[in-house]
Amino acid sequence: DQQVKQNSPSLSVQEGRISILNCDYTNSMFDYFLWYKKYPAEGPTFLISISSIKDKNEDGRFTVFLNKSAKHLSLHIVPSQPGDSAVYFCAASLSGGSNYKLTFGKGTLLTVNP
Amino acid sequence: NAGVMQNPRHLVRRRGQEARLRCSPVKGHSHVYWYRQLPEEGLKFMVYLQKENIIDESGMPKERFSAEFPKEGPSILRIQQVVRGDSAAYFCASSQRGTQNTGELFFGEGSRLTVL
Repeated sequence: DQQVKQNSPSLSVQEGRISILNCDYTNSMFDYFLWYKKYPAEGPTFLISISSIKDKNEDGRFTVFLNKSAKHLSLHIVPSQPGDSAVYFCAASLSGGSNYKLTFGKGTLLTVNP
Repeated sequence: NAGVMQNPRHLVRRRGQEARLRCSPVKGHSHVYWYRQLPEEGLKFMVYLQKENIIDESGMPKERFSAEFPKEGPSILRIQQVVRGDSAAYFCASSQRGTQNTGELFFGEGSRLTVL
């Protein structure tokens, strides 16, 4: 049962434009959401997160939006840069002591073309 | 490099052999987690360890898999009598705080196991 879904396996955008990566979840108990970025042959690196008490979190070029009623979150990257080309994983967790147990989506491969 | 160190990066085993994967956490981190990524899948939690203790092994297969994090030395994920379905990338992560952390884990580069 896929509790965190990233329905787009890949996304291609032009340098300078906005990249929007989407993620849906089914478990309404999830209350913390994260995005990780992964380059080939490397481990995932933390990018940005959001608590369920918020609907937006911004960090430089990266903004995460959370729509709890729709159980949907998105990552916006603007402007996109070629160095952003990577696999992006959406992840969710439960608070209450087990927030190390992340549930990951399958990832979306972002390609930013120069 | 002060990050999470995993070795070997690549390991090939024949069915029935044993695989041992090692992980040294970020210096100062005492909480270690193992995740597995099967082909075309997202990472899945396996086990959470502190020094000399298994805190949560709810994601570990019931048989053939074991993990330890001794007082001295790296954490080890051991897979006995490997089968082809064990072929995957195994990622180790660490954190400074345990269950208080917000899920921001530091991941290693992974160990890719191939079972022939």
